[in-house]
Amino acid sequence: DTGVSQNPRHKITKRGQNVTFRCDPISEHNRLYWYRQTLGQGPEFLTYFQNEAQLEKSRLLSDRFSAERPKGSFSTLEIQRTEQGDSAMYLCASSRDDRAGGYTFGSGTRLTVV
Amino acid sequence: AQSVTQPDIHITVSEGASLELRCNYSYGATPYLFWYVQSPGQGLQLLLKYFSGDTLVQGIKGFEAEFKRSQSSFNLRKPSVHWSDAAEYFCAVAPPAGNNRKLIWGLGTSLAVNP
Repeated sequence: DTGVSQNPRHKITKRGQNVTFRCDPISEHNRLYWYRQTLGQGPEFLTYFQNEAQLEKSRLLSDRFSAERPKGSFSTLEIQRTEQGDSAMYLCASSRDDRAGGYTFGSGTRLTVV
Repeated sequence: AQSVTQPDIHITVSEGASLELRCNYSYGATPYLFWYVQSPGQGLQLLLKYFSGDTLVQGIKGFEAEFKRSQSSFNLRKPSVHWSDAAEYFCAVAPPAGNNRKLIWGLGTSLAVNP
């Protein structure tokens, strides 16, 4: 069990550029979640996958955001035409079917849009 | 509406002192309850969780939490704080059933420890 891995750890990008983050969950975990966290706030739910199916998207996830989980393994989160308001920590978590929470979180990707 | 309230934004304690971080929730049914800790620039680490059964749960790093249904509370405690406990602490809840078990989070309590 190598934990949840997120890459890159940090990303600085210019406004208007596209960015893509990757999350590798724990291998036997079929549920995968993306959260966003800004300074001084708790995480906010963005989207949820069960295996390869994206079952729920938050209203926070504008049409500039897209997430995929091909083959139910790793997941990517892409942000197109980044805006300064997208600057945040993007957290990925995974869990097994049988229990809520007990999520394992990755270390996150910190995005700074300049 | 479902919500989690952590009334204390910031707490400072002396090393060796006891600690209690408060958490209250508003939820239709008794949710699953969690405490996570986050060090600066890091991801979230699960300290402990409550699903059912004994209302006093033990976690890692010497932490414990007590679920009080009548008060809709799940307060985190530690008898003797260490300097390494300085971090951000988040209380969270999740639905006890359903497909998407997304967590609903409090705003966090920042803990500072004086030597």
